[in-house]
Amino acid sequence: DSGVTQTPKHLITATGQRVTLRCSPRSGDLSVYWYQQSLDQGLQFLIQYYNGEERAKGNILERFSAQQFPDLHSELNLSSLELGDSALYFCASSVGTSEINEQFFGPGTRLTVL
Amino acid sequence: QKEVEQDPGPLSVPEGAIVSLNCTYSNSAFQYFMWYRQYSRKGPELLMYTYSSGNKEDGRFTAQVDKSSKYISLFIRDSQPSDSATYLCAMSAASGTYKYIFGTGTRLKVLA
Repeated sequence: DSGVTQTPKHLITATGQRVTLRCSPRSGDLSVYWYQQSLDQGLQFLIQYYNGEERAKGNILERFSAQQFPDLHSELNLSSLELGDSALYFCASSVGTSEINEQFFGPGTRLTVL
Repeated sequence: QKEVEQDPGPLSVPEGAIVSLNCTYSNSAFQYFMWYRQYSRKGPELLMYTYSSGNKEDGRFTAQVDKSSKYISLFIRDSQPSDSATYLCAMSAASGTYKYIFGTGTRLKVLA
C-alpha cells in the first residue's frame, strides 16, 4: 500500500458527461501528479500540483482540469467525455518537486466511457 | 517517434532465468532514470532509480544506464513467478521540468 488513495475505483459513464476523480496524497507529500494510462499510449503525464499551485503540464486536454485544495487532496475533472477517454487514471504524490523525489502511485481509477 | 521506446513483450521466461528489460530514448537531456513495476490492476511502484550513467544493484535487480547509446536496462537475476508483472521505464530531464516520461511497459511472465 503506497499511502495514496484514489476514489472511485471504477467509473462508468456516457459520452458527453463530466466526472471528477479524487486523490489523497501520502501524509507529508506536497506534490500531486496525474497520469493517464491506456493500452496504446502507456502512462502519460497530465499535470502536477505542488502545495496548491500548478507546477507542470503534460499532454492534458483542454476538456480536463485539475486542482489541489488546501488540505492537499486533488481532483481531476474530465468533461465532454469521449470514448477515447476510457483509461486508467493514476494519481501519484511525492514530498517535493525534484526529480529525485520518488513518486508514489495510487491504485488508480478505471474510467469507462460508453 | 516516441521519446522513450520499450518493447511491450510479452516476455515469458522459466523460473530462475536472468531477465533483461530495455528502453531506448531520444532526448539527451534525460538525467534521471527509473524502473517501475506494475502488477495487474495496481499502480506502478518504484524498483530502481539511477542518476546519469552507470550501474546500480539492489538484491536481484541491476539497473544500467548508457547515456552515450541512450539505452537503459534492468536485469533480474534468479527470476521468480512473483516477478511476473509489467515493467515500466521512466525518465526525467534535469531539474525544472518535474515530469516523468514513461515507456509503454514490458509484460513479463515467469513460469514456475
